[in-house]
Parts: sequence; C-alpha cells; structure tokens
Amino acid sequence: GAVVSQHPSWVICKSGTSVKIECRSLDFQATTMFWYRQFPKQSLMLMATSNEGSKATYEQGVEKDKFLINHASLTLSTLTVTSAHPEDSSFYICSAPLLAGGGSGQFFGPGTRLTVL
Amino acid sequence: KQEVTQIPAALSVPEGENLVLNCSFTDSAIYNLQWFRQDPGKGLTSLLLIQSSQREQTSGRLNASLDKSSGRSTLYIAASQPGDSATYLCAVSGGYNKLIFGAGTRLAVHP
Repeated sequence: GAVVSQHPSWVICKSGTSVKIECRSLDFQATTMFWYRQFPKQSLMLMATSNEGSKATYEQGVEKDKFLINHASLTLSTLTVTSAHPEDSSFYICSAPLLAGGGSGQFFGPGTRLTVL
Repeated sequence: KQEVTQIPAALSVPEGENLVLNCSFTDSAIYNLQWFRQDPGKGLTSLLLIQSSQREQTSGRLNASLDKSSGRSTLYIAASQPGDSATYLCAVSGGYNKLIFGAGTRLAVHP
C-alpha cells in the first residue's frame, strides 16, 4: 500500500522556539495533504489542508500564523509550529489521499510527538 | 456540522470472543467511511474503507458494514486475539478527502 513518512518521529524543544515537521508521500504524489493533532486519549482533530502550490486551508480555531504549512512539491508538506509553548505539546499526524477529489482512502504517517518544555 | 460517535468507548474481552464496535454519524452525505487501528503512541493503520455506495467490506477476521441512510457503521472482529488490542477509530469523509474522526474504542483482549 501507499506509504507516508514523517520526520522527526519525536522532538523536544524549549518554549519560544520553532519546530518543523515534514510529511512525505513515498510512492505516490499528493496534491493535498492533511495535518491532524491528537491530544492524549483524544481523537484526531483536523488542523489544516495542505495544498500543493497554493495556500493551506485552516480549520476554525487554528491559528494560521502559528502553524505554518508549506506544500512545495507533490510529495512533501511541512508544518512549522512557531514560537511553541507547552500547550502546543501534542501528537501531530499527517495524511495523504491516494486520489485527489474525494472517494479514496487516506494513508497516515507515523506521527510526530512534540514536547515543549 | 458532521459529528461522529463511537460506542463503546472502551471494551475488555477474553480471547476468542467475537466483537462489534459501533460508529454513528450525523450527516449521511459522506463519500466514504474508514476504520483505522491505532496502537499507543503510533500512527494510524487503515483497516477497511467503505465507499458510500457499498454496504460492507471484509478483510480477514474483520468485517465492516455501512448503513448510510441511518448514519451507522459497525466493525465486526471475529475470534479476537490479544494482538487485536488497540484503539479503533472510525472516520467519515464528507468531501475534499477531509476526515472527521470519532473518539475511538479502546479494545483490550486478554488471554
């Protein structure tokens, strides 16, 4: 099946620093990727839709200036958490659909555990 | 606004039992429904994908059904094993591939 990778798998940073997380589709191209956040013992919440070559679309309540998304190629999307604070500590997961436009399954990366001290 | 509910929230069963996990959604206008498995601290593994025009999908000991008109799906696990212990997530796609997730069912299968 399709493979999506994420890097790093975990990161610890100091409050106020920025952290970049990469999401790659390894064997298929993805014009759209999705970023989710998962707090302990909670489900996944969609943060934003990453669109190749254009601006990301953010869900209500997600600060676009804090969570910068760049989708520079058909296989790579990055999420940068700017000026991270302890409340940003979470599990961040990306996904990519096999087919654009709806109707296909989604493949998820292994996730990135962010801890902000 | 689409809402997805999963019942039960947690389930503990002895090995060998057949299980039914339930998922309900409020808006029947979906493209598809997907069941995932998540192990602690890990990403998601796709188990079954049911398109809106389908009634069920099967993979090994897993069978998922979809009743779109009533907004329900069930995941049936036959002959459960300790290795099935995980959190099972149901998610619906309402367009543009955006997934809305339920809170999950935490399953523990003990020997």
